[in-house]
Amino acid sequence: DIQMTQSPSTLSASVGDRVTITCRASQSISTSLAWYQQKPGKAPKVLIYKASSLESGVPSRFSGSGSGTEFTLTISSLQPDDFATYYCQQYGSLWTFGQGTKVDI
Amino acid sequence: EVQLVQSGGGSVHPGGSLRLSCAASGFTFSNYELNWVRQAPGKGLEWISYISGGGETMYYADSVKGRFTISRDNAKNSLYLQMNNLRAEDTAVYSCVRVYSNYFDNWGQGTLVIVSS
Repeated sequence: DIQMTQSPSTLSASVGDRVTITCRASQSISTSLAWYQQKPGKAPKVLIYKASSLESGVPSRFSGSGSGTEFTLTISSLQPDDFATYYCQQYGSLWTFGQGTKVDI
Repeated sequence: EVQLVQSGGGSVHPGGSLRLSCAASGFTFSNYELNWVRQAPGKGLEWISYISGGGETMYYADSVKGRFTISRDNAKNSLYLQMNNLRAEDTAVYSCVRVYSNYFDNWGQGTLVIVSS
C-alpha cells in the first residue's frame, strides 16, 4: 500500500501570506496526485489534479508541483475563504489520502 | 448538474448491519467509476471501496474487506454499500464519490453512521 505523509499538520497564517503544504509518497506515484480543500461539515473539493493541473473554477492563487514522491501545494496569497483543511491524495495505486493540514489564523 | 444524494445511515449496535444508498443524477451513471470514502469524527479521509462502471470490478480497503460490499444498479442510477458486522471504529461520515480521470470530482453530502452499544 502507498502511504502519504503530509506536513505540517497545522499551519497558522494570516491573510496575504504565502502558504506551502508538503506531501510525500512512500513510493513513486509519478504525477498521480490530487489536492482537496475541506471546510467543516462540507464535502471535500478538488483543487489540483495530476500534481499541477488546476481544477476548473479554482482560483489561480492555488498551485501544485512535484512528481515521483515529493509534492507541494502553494497558496500564493491566503484569502479569508482559504482557512480550511487540505488533503493530498495519491491515485497511482488505488487511493490514499494524507492525514490533512489545517490552515488557521 | 451532477448530484449524488445519499440515504441510509444512522445508529446501530456493534455486530449489526446497515445499507447506504447513493442516488446519482446529471450524468451518464454507467460511464463512471464510483467509490465510498469515510471520515471518522475529527479525523482524516479514508478511501474504503471502489466499483467499476459496469459493476464487474470491486476493491476494498483492508479495514473493511470481508465485512462491506459495494454494488451498483445502473438501471436505477444508484450506488450501495452493505455494511455487516459493524464495529465501533466504523463510526464515521460515509460519502459516495464519483471518479474522473482517477481522482474524485464530485462527492455526496455524506451520511453519519454511529456504531455504539
